[in-house]
Amino acid sequence: AQTVTQSQPEMSVQEAETVTLSCTYDTSESDYYLFWYKQPPSRQMILVIRQEAYKQQNATENRFSVNFQKAAKSFSLKISDSQLGDAAMYFCAYPRGSARQLTFGSGTQLTVLP
Amino acid sequence: DTEVTQTPKHLVMGMTNKKSLKCEQHMGHRAMYWYKQKAKKPPELMFVYSYEKLSINESVPSRFSPECPNSSLLNLHLHALQPEDSALYLCASSQALGRPNTEAFFGQGTRLTVV
Repeated sequence: AQTVTQSQPEMSVQEAETVTLSCTYDTSESDYYLFWYKQPPSRQMILVIRQEAYKQQNATENRFSVNFQKAAKSFSLKISDSQLGDAAMYFCAYPRGSARQLTFGSGTQLTVLP
Repeated sequence: DTEVTQTPKHLVMGMTNKKSLKCEQHMGHRAMYWYKQKAKKPPELMFVYSYEKLSINESVPSRFSPECPNSSLLNLHLHALQPEDSALYLCASSQALGRPNTEAFFGQGTRLTVV
């Protein structure tokens, strides 16, 4: 079975601080991608960052970076210098099946405190 | 243009009504998706279209009827819905099916309330 697990339903962080959101997944594939999506109150899902499984280097996009541990099937998202606009629901996602349709984790609601 | 546009943004309908949700993209994407999302839950896949043909139907009740008239448009026809069908309906598109690195672009969704 290909599943995605996010064990933190809610997290909070002080503005300008760093926060890490956790995600674990299960797959039998050797080459795959993983994604973090953000869904703010505006409801639109926005891609934050992606990681290719056979690249050992962790992906980075400005203040967002991942800690990808392939053997442990762990894919955490680190947000540095948190901003009020980072407040959102964050979903870890894995494209599965022949259509590569996204399987999402249950989500982590991030609150940024001023 | 990297937008997926969904209309309407909000819809209230009775259980005997017939309505349609619309989705449009002009990125040349050949795969389009409908997802259903309940409050504080992740999106759940309903349908996938590839090159205007229905590729996946995730055992969705027949009161939901998808249609892909052309490569830019995706509709979801609604008929005889139940109150439990109230949810956010998200449309997404991607370049093509089968590529593991394919990013999906999402619309802002239609908030549907069935009364």
